[in-house]
Amino acid sequence: QQQVKQSPQSLIVQKGGISIINCAYENTAFDYFPWYQQFPGKGPALLIAIRPDVSEKKEGRFTISFNKSAKQFSLHIMDSQPGDSATYFCAASFAGTASKLTFGTGTRLQVTL
Amino acid sequence: GAGVSQTPSNKVTEKGKYVELRCDPISGHTALYWYRQSLGQGPEFLIYFQGTGAADDSGLPNDRFFAVRPEGSVSTLKIQRTERGDSAVYLCASSQTGELFFGEGSRLTVL
Repeated sequence: QQQVKQSPQSLIVQKGGISIINCAYENTAFDYFPWYQQFPGKGPALLIAIRPDVSEKKEGRFTISFNKSAKQFSLHIMDSQPGDSATYFCAASFAGTASKLTFGTGTRLQVTL
Repeated sequence: GAGVSQTPSNKVTEKGKYVELRCDPISGHTALYWYRQSLGQGPEFLIYFQGTGAADDSGLPNDRFFAVRPEGSVSTLKIQRTERGDSAVYLCASSQTGELFFGEGSRLTVL
């Protein structure tokens, strides 16, 4: 059972454009929603995270939008740069298990010049 | 270095062999996690240690998989009678405040 569904599988964006990646979850008990960035040959690294008591969180060029009623959340990368080219994973976890994460299948982002 | 260290970075073995994968967490981190990442997929939870004890091993796929952390620091993931389906990148992460810090992983290939 895939509890976190992520789309698109891949994304090509021009430099300076906005990258948008979407995730949907099934279990309403999830209460922590992070996004991870992974470069080839490296482990995932936490990018930004949100809890369901807020609808949006912004850190620099990265924004999470959260829609509790729709059970969806998304990552927006503003002014996308070639250095942002990586695979992005959304994830979710339950209260008390903030680090036992259920990951999405990943989105490979390529930012072109 | 200050990050999570995993060895070996690559391991090629034959079906039926035994393998050990080692994780050295960030100093002072009491929580340690093992995840498995198959090609083109997100990481899947295997096991979680708080100190020396396995607090949650619900992600271990079967009894061929076992992990230990005898002194509350370094951890070893042990896989017996390896199968081709065990081929994946095995990721270790450590945590002190809830945020996970991942290592670069051990890529296991079972021929």
